[in-house]
Amino acid sequence: SQQGEEDPQALSIQEGENATMNCSYKTSINNLQWYRQNSGRGLVHLILIRSNEREKHSGRLRVTLDTSKKSSSLLITASRAADTASYFCATLYNFNKFYFGSGTKLNVKP
Amino acid sequence: AAGVIQSPRHLIKEKRETATLKCYPIPRHDTVYWYQQGPGQDPQFLISFYEKMQSDKGSIPDRFSAQQFSDYHSELNMSSLELGDSALYFCASSPRVAGEGTQYFGPGTRLTVL
Repeated sequence: SQQGEEDPQALSIQEGENATMNCSYKTSINNLQWYRQNSGRGLVHLILIRSNEREKHSGRLRVTLDTSKKSSSLLITASRAADTASYFCATLYNFNKFYFGSGTKLNVKP
Repeated sequence: AAGVIQSPRHLIKEKRETATLKCYPIPRHDTVYWYQQGPGQDPQFLISFYEKMQSDKGSIPDRFSAQQFSDYHSELNMSSLELGDSALYFCASSPRVAGEGTQYFGPGTRLTVL
């Protein structure tokens, strides 16, 4: 299966701390994307990193990609209570196959 | 900006009934994806369409079918509903020509099968 594994499955931190989530996948990809989902709501695209990129930043988000290890990490700096959500990585391969990982449930305590 | 529209937002059905979910993609998006998300589960890819043709198939049960119409909207038809079909059903669209597959998700349809 191409589906990625994410760890940790759940993460609880204090406001102001950094949160790091990891994602691994199995085959060569075109890109890897991170999505956020508030409980019972639709997924929101956060950031995309192409297979030839190693690091990308967007605001308080930092994504790294290690294609040799087939893994990616999402770092949220200076977390806020409003960051509480589930975070999913998704991989695109063959330019038309798209799979989500199992998600990390982040709880940021005020 | 226009977003993906899904209807209905909530649907309650009895076992063995049928349901039809509708998805209206963002204008000029030619690819539509359907996902099923059970309680506490990650989204499971069901099926996708590109230019009105099925482009990929995931874990979609045989009881389900879907199509994309000439105006690019898509419908997911679900028959002989089972209790286990209770879930959030998401539709997403993307501009395939961009090639990067960024998907824009609708708010979902919550299906409850009693």
